[in-house]
Amino acid sequence: DADVTQTPRNRITKTGKRIMLECSQTKGHDRMYWYRQDPGLGLRLIYYSFDVKDINKGEISDGYSVSRQAQAKFSLSLESAIPNQTALYFCAPYRDKNEKLFFGSGTQLSVL
Amino acid sequence: QQQVKQSPQSLIVQKGGISIINCAYENTAFDYFPWYQQFPGKGPALLIAIRPDVSEKKEGRFTISFNKSAKQFSLHIMDSQPGDSATYFCAASRGGADGLTFGKGTHLIIQP
Repeated sequence: DADVTQTPRNRITKTGKRIMLECSQTKGHDRMYWYRQDPGLGLRLIYYSFDVKDINKGEISDGYSVSRQAQAKFSLSLESAIPNQTALYFCAPYRDKNEKLFFGSGTQLSVL
Repeated sequence: QQQVKQSPQSLIVQKGGISIINCAYENTAFDYFPWYQQFPGKGPALLIAIRPDVSEKKEGRFTISFNKSAKQFSLHIMDSQPGDSATYFCAASRGGADGLTFGKGTHLIIQP
């Protein structure tokens, strides 16, 4: 859906490298969320933001940081990537009261 | 601590049959219970959701049954079709503010 754009779609990196995953949305939603998906573990919340000045840690924030550069942009960084951060990462703006979260297409990250 | 427990992990149903996926939650402050459907290579998409003031919600072939006293809710897919083959996630949230807590997912296969 064109509402949410995640870049890159796929990324392979090496242990110890810094990497940034980017997310942008076109509908002016205030709230944005980052989740990671691992097979058999479901989706787990990493960070979320209610606006550019409000950043909150989720269930598994260790090893990650985020930046809300503007209402439309919410980036996730891995300061020093490790192999167990290999996962599918989703950005999700909060669309409206009835739909709650709308997920982008995801970024598949592999850390070697 | 896993706040939302989903079962089964995988499910095979014959075309035309009823698919049933169950979830149990622990946090009595949860007040919103959605189900998400995910196809390979795509992000999860909202399928149907319920709030605890009703015991059942139906949308087409999809029904959520909710049992507040037992802290359980389930997804029923009537007349299951091969196109329903996907991974299904239950989730819960508290007031919508701090994101969704997901179950681990159910891989559903509908055999023709």
